[in-house]
Amino acid sequence: DAGVIQSPRHEVTEMGQEVTLRCKPISGHNSLFWYRQTMMRGLELLIYFNNNVPIDDSGMPEDRFSAKMPNASFSTLKIQPSEPRDSAVYFCASINRLVTEAFFGQGTRLTVV
Amino acid sequence: QQQVKQSPQSLIVQKGGISIINCAYENTAFDYFPWYQQFPGKGPALLIAIRPDVSEKKEGRFTISFNKSAKQFSLHIMDSQPGDSATYFCAASTGNQFYFGTGTSLTVIP
Repeated sequence: DAGVIQSPRHEVTEMGQEVTLRCKPISGHNSLFWYRQTMMRGLELLIYFNNNVPIDDSGMPEDRFSAKMPNASFSTLKIQPSEPRDSAVYFCASINRLVTEAFFGQGTRLTVV
Repeated sequence: QQQVKQSPQSLIVQKGGISIINCAYENTAFDYFPWYQQFPGKGPALLIAIRPDVSEKKEGRFTISFNKSAKQFSLHIMDSQPGDSATYFCAASTGNQFYFGTGTSLTVIP
């Protein structure tokens, strides 16, 4: 398996534009997480899905953020409209069924100018 | 609210020295405590983990010490090497939720 795959690796966009981040979890993993990493706040959990169903989205900062998981092999995190304070590295992670390890993608570095 | 509190934020250690990173938690429902290592441009990766039924776990130069009564756990890196320079995250888990600390940036000076 190629691991958790995220795209794009880097995204630069102008304030007010819509941004969509994509994630393909490891096949067979039934839980998927979106995290945001900044120097100030470290790794923040935004939302997690279990069996494609959103379980906890309390970490989603505002209504501008939304996430979907239409099937077990794909998830998106959308920001509309984007703001400069959304600039961060966004990670997707999937967890094995034994719940012993979270496997992270390489992240998407988002810069909103 | 930070579920897991990690310190220090940054750490500089001489080659061959011991690096120590500390974490504390409040939720007694946590039953799994992993440490993750992150190199620049990469996602965090599992380094070592412990469950609360043991007080210590060692893998090579890396040791987790766990104090259930104090709700604290720490990572010790013995004989620290420049290749250990990375960001380290502690985490706590219950069910299928992982809560991470804010990270410690470790620099090992040759």
